[in-house]
Amino acid sequence: SAVISQKPSRDICQRGTSLTIQCQVDSQVTMMFWYRQQPGQSLTLIATANQGSEATYESGFVIDKFPISRPNLTFSTLTVSNMSPEDSSIYLCSGRGQGGGYTFGSGTRLTVV
Amino acid sequence: AQKVTQAQTEISVVEKEDVTLDCVYETRDTTYYLFWYKQPPSGELVFLIRRNSFDEQNEISGRYSWNFQKSTSSFNFTITASQVVDSAVYFCALRPMNRDDKIIFGKGTRLHILP
Repeated sequence: SAVISQKPSRDICQRGTSLTIQCQVDSQVTMMFWYRQQPGQSLTLIATANQGSEATYESGFVIDKFPISRPNLTFSTLTVSNMSPEDSSIYLCSGRGQGGGYTFGSGTRLTVV
Repeated sequence: AQKVTQAQTEISVVEKEDVTLDCVYETRDTTYYLFWYKQPPSGELVFLIRRNSFDEQNEISGRYSWNFQKSTSSFNFTITASQVVDSAVYFCALRPMNRDDKIIFGKGTRLHILP
């Protein structure tokens, strides 16, 4: 199955700034997804990253706050914009491979101060 | 409605005991995948198993086993002879195959294995 390298693994950011998280997959994946996991909670899907087109956002998430890029089948970025302490979470990317399996990146642990 | 329920929020057992994590799901789709993932304290999500809805055979992998019962919409996970390294949050998840590719996660069960 695919291996996803996600970075940074963690960061501490000032409120009002932005952070871009990158995910690189070692093989082509048909779909990529971005999740947020708030402390002690389950994973919440932010958006589905489509190659060559705009991402599809879930209810409660907007492009201005979480812009996503997917320039090719092996790479995607998520930006957390104008951060506030409420954005402190683990952010995970996921890829769906040709065989239907889902692989996750190692996560980015974000703290906003 | 598509939903995954993990009723056990937190479980603590003593090392070497067996422990079962419950998972109940809801879907109107006749074909779907079920998953279990492990999330250790480091935060990454580790894939454990994927089960197709057509395959109700139980599966054993070392100390791990899974019991899939379509009649009760359950997909329970048992760890035999638990070890401290099994301490983690475990997520059950559902992907209905006739929809988009989204996975629906349960809220997770935090498992503490006490030495």
